[in-house]
Amino acid sequence: GIQVEQSPPDLILQEGANSTLRCNFSDSVNNLQWFHQNPWGQLINLFYIPSGTKQNGRLSATTVATERYSLLYISSSQTTDSGVYFCAVDSPQGGSQGNLIFGKGTKLSVKP
Amino acid sequence: DTEVTQTPKHLVMGMTNKKSLKCEQHMGHRAMYWYKQKAKKPPELMFVYSYEKLSINESVPSRFSPECPNSSLLNLHLHALQPEDSALYLCASSHPWGSTDTQYFGPGTRLTVL
Repeated sequence: GIQVEQSPPDLILQEGANSTLRCNFSDSVNNLQWFHQNPWGQLINLFYIPSGTKQNGRLSATTVATERYSLLYISSSQTTDSGVYFCAVDSPQGGSQGNLIFGKGTKLSVKP
Repeated sequence: DTEVTQTPKHLVMGMTNKKSLKCEQHMGHRAMYWYKQKAKKPPELMFVYSYEKLSINESVPSRFSPECPNSSLLNLHLHALQPEDSALYLCASSHPWGSTDTQYFGPGTRLTVL
């Protein structure tokens, strides 16, 4: 099945710093989503981005489908950005429609 | 409104108990999902319902029994669970063809099996 790798696994930032999170995937995808899981477990949708570039406030994401990677940019980080960031994909070759495969996540800690 | 609700938020049960988890959405989505997330791990898919029919069962033990009574509601019936089943159970929903649209997640039910 499709493999999803996220890097770095852990990231510690000072408030106000910028960061880039990476997601590599091993096959073509129909669906790629970025989520933020807060300390209470809620998975919050950030982007649905199987290809192209999107921006939402301090966050932006780019997926280069032909090269099988996606990047999540966080600018001017805040303590509320802390949590785990997941990349999740669904592959047409996987045979399962709607089966999101999650990477292991990047745990972000933003210090005041 | 992009909200998926789940009840209860927390559940503690013994190995001989029977309990149910409930998930509800009013976004008109026709695909609904159950995921299981162990501590410090990513979510893993358990079941997919599409148009109220079970379309994917990812080899989940029979002590977990899903039910989709209508297009807005998804239940997960629990019976004779084991302590290793303790986890965060997440429900999600999406538009009819789930593979190509955003999945929205509920806040989860944190289950502890004693």
